[in-house]
Amino acid sequence: DAGVIQSPRHEVTEMGQEVTLRCKPISGHDYLFWYRQTMMRGLELLIYFNNNVPIDDSGMPEDRFSAKMPNASFSTLKIQPSEPRDSAVYFCASSFSGRTQETQYFGPGTRLLVL
Amino acid sequence: TQLLEQSPQFLSIQEGENLTVYCNSSSVFSSLQWYRQEPGEGPVLLVTVVTGGEVKKLKRLTFQFGDARKDSSLHITAAQPGDTGLYLCAGAKGSNYKLTFGKGTLLTVNP
Repeated sequence: DAGVIQSPRHEVTEMGQEVTLRCKPISGHDYLFWYRQTMMRGLELLIYFNNNVPIDDSGMPEDRFSAKMPNASFSTLKIQPSEPRDSAVYFCASSFSGRTQETQYFGPGTRLLVL
Repeated sequence: TQLLEQSPQFLSIQEGENLTVYCNSSSVFSSLQWYRQEPGEGPVLLVTVVTGGEVKKLKRLTFQFGDARKDSSLHITAAQPGDTGLYLCAGAKGSNYKLTFGKGTLLTVNP
């Protein structure tokens, strides 16, 4: 089975541009998470969804960030306008709530560089 | 303020040596997970511990959850180059859905 799929794998953009990151969770998983990883702050949870509904977006840095999940097999994280401090690796993860101890399966990440 | 402190931040050892890395917090967690992340990839779950004092073994890796559920350790016996990677601990309060990660220990095992 395919794991979590993220695209693009790498993105280089200029400050002020809009950036859209995409994620396809594992089929059948009902939770989806967006994380950001930097050397300074480590791995931080930005937002997570359950059954396509945002549950907790308290980790979203500011209004420039938005996330959507229009259906069970697709989610986007958008940054508009982008800034150099947004440079990081962004991970999407999914999990299935049918077990007592849920495992989060991470995608390979999108490495974002904002110049 | 980092909720989960991991130490050491960096560790470089020779193949065959033993090592222990730590994950400490002043907060109580309902469960704690350990992940390993290799360059260019996402973290992969190694183990989940949920009971204070619990010890779990995964081949050469031994994980322990503190009695008070505030800290955890990972011990690797006879480290191998394939153990190289970033080891992350993550704590959950209540449900396991919202995880707080430490910054990780970057382990290098030299052949």
